[in-house]
Amino acid sequence: EDKVVQSPLSLVVHEGDTVTLNCSYEVTNFRSLLWYKQEKKAPTFLFMLTSSGIEKKSGRLSSILDKKELFSILNITATQTGDSAVYLCAVGRDDKIIFGKGTRLHILP
Amino acid sequence: NAGVTQTPKFRILKIGQSMTLQCAQDMNHNYMYWYRQDPGMGLKLIYYSVGAGITDKGEVPNGYNVSRSTTEDFPLRLELAAPSQTSVYFCASSYWESYVGELFFGEGSRLTVL
Repeated sequence: EDKVVQSPLSLVVHEGDTVTLNCSYEVTNFRSLLWYKQEKKAPTFLFMLTSSGIEKKSGRLSSILDKKELFSILNITATQTGDSAVYLCAVGRDDKIIFGKGTRLHILP
Repeated sequence: NAGVTQTPKFRILKIGQSMTLQCAQDMNHNYMYWYRQDPGMGLKLIYYSVGAGITDKGEVPNGYNVSRSTTEDFPLRLELAAPSQTSVYFCASSYWESYVGELFFGEGSRLTVL
């Protein structure tokens, strides 16, 4: 059975801290791993990773994939209150895209 | 660009009623998906389609039906609504080639079954 497991499920930190969110997966015919940010409405796209060891960066966010150990991390440095959201990891296999339960991140001012 | 359009945004149903959630995309994407999201949870795949005339079940298909007669439209039908179907529903589309492309989401439809 395909699995996408995110940890931690919930995280509270202070503004300025650095956080690392984890995503491990077990799927057949892996194609890509995607990260999304969800605030009140629909998820918004952050990154798509298809190759191991290549870091993707966007401002204070970065992500990397390890296809041997079957996991990815999402790092957020110098967190701000606007980073408070649910972060979703999704894995594409064959023709499906399967999501984890998400990590709820709350940034205290 | 409209992207992915879902209607209605909100709906209240009585137990046993039926309804259709509409989804349309104007990006010529071949793949379309329906997900549901319960409070505090991630997205669960209900049905998906790899092209017009082709649909397949996802993780939680029971109680739902879909059709894909055109590339643009992918409606989700709820037959005999039950309280367990109270959720937020998201339609999404993507373009596949050799890798799984980015998902483009609609704004969501909040359904309450009483």
